[in-house]
Amino acid sequence: DTAVSQTPKYLVTQMGNDKSIKCEQNLGHDTMYWYKQDSKKFLKIMFSYNNKELIINETVPNRFSPKSPDKAHLNLHINSLELGDSAVYFCASSQDQPRQSYEQYFGPGTRLTVT
Amino acid sequence: GQQLNQSPQSMFIQEGEDVSMNCTSSSIFNTWLWYKQDPGEGPVLLIALYKAGELTSNGRLTAQFGITRKDSFLNISASIPSDVGIYFCAGKGGTYKYIFGTGTRLKVLA
Repeated sequence: DTAVSQTPKYLVTQMGNDKSIKCEQNLGHDTMYWYKQDSKKFLKIMFSYNNKELIINETVPNRFSPKSPDKAHLNLHINSLELGDSAVYFCASSQDQPRQSYEQYFGPGTRLTVT
Repeated sequence: GQQLNQSPQSMFIQEGEDVSMNCTSSSIFNTWLWYKQDPGEGPVLLIALYKAGELTSNGRLTAQFGITRKDSFLNISASIPSDVGIYFCAGKGGTYKYIFGTGTRLKVLA
């Protein structure tokens, strides 16, 4: 019973290509997120969506375009991939109301390598 | 982007020892979360704290929400080899946003 799932687990591609990462959560949460974890393991939020609406865009290049077809899915499309995009990307979800349940759960990650 | 300071950055301990780590911020948070990340995996939620001064346990783990709301602490008692990993704190900084700490890398010597 995977709560937050991502595909693919690994993605190796060349500079300039376009790629997508998919995320699904079966927790019934209303908010989903994308994070980037760099080689030093720092976790930085990229986007958050609440009820399919973009809430936070943390100065991410517009080559990154998230799409939320419904509350349970948040996909990340990346255009014109660059070497610096190599990282592990994590999807996460949480229920923002009621307040007592702000627990955020992460997917297993997608390791993106751009060559 | 903003990050929370975690201390220590890394630590080696003997199996059976107790471990303490903390997380500090210049901002006030209303929620603190503690996570553990194993290699090649996503962070796994360990403990959630919602009230200043709150002390919550999960097995051998105990976390506290600092009175000032600008810090949080995690203790692990009687460490075992599978406690190895990176521990992250996260503060809920406003609606829909979590700020993560820099991580504490724990290594346990058997």
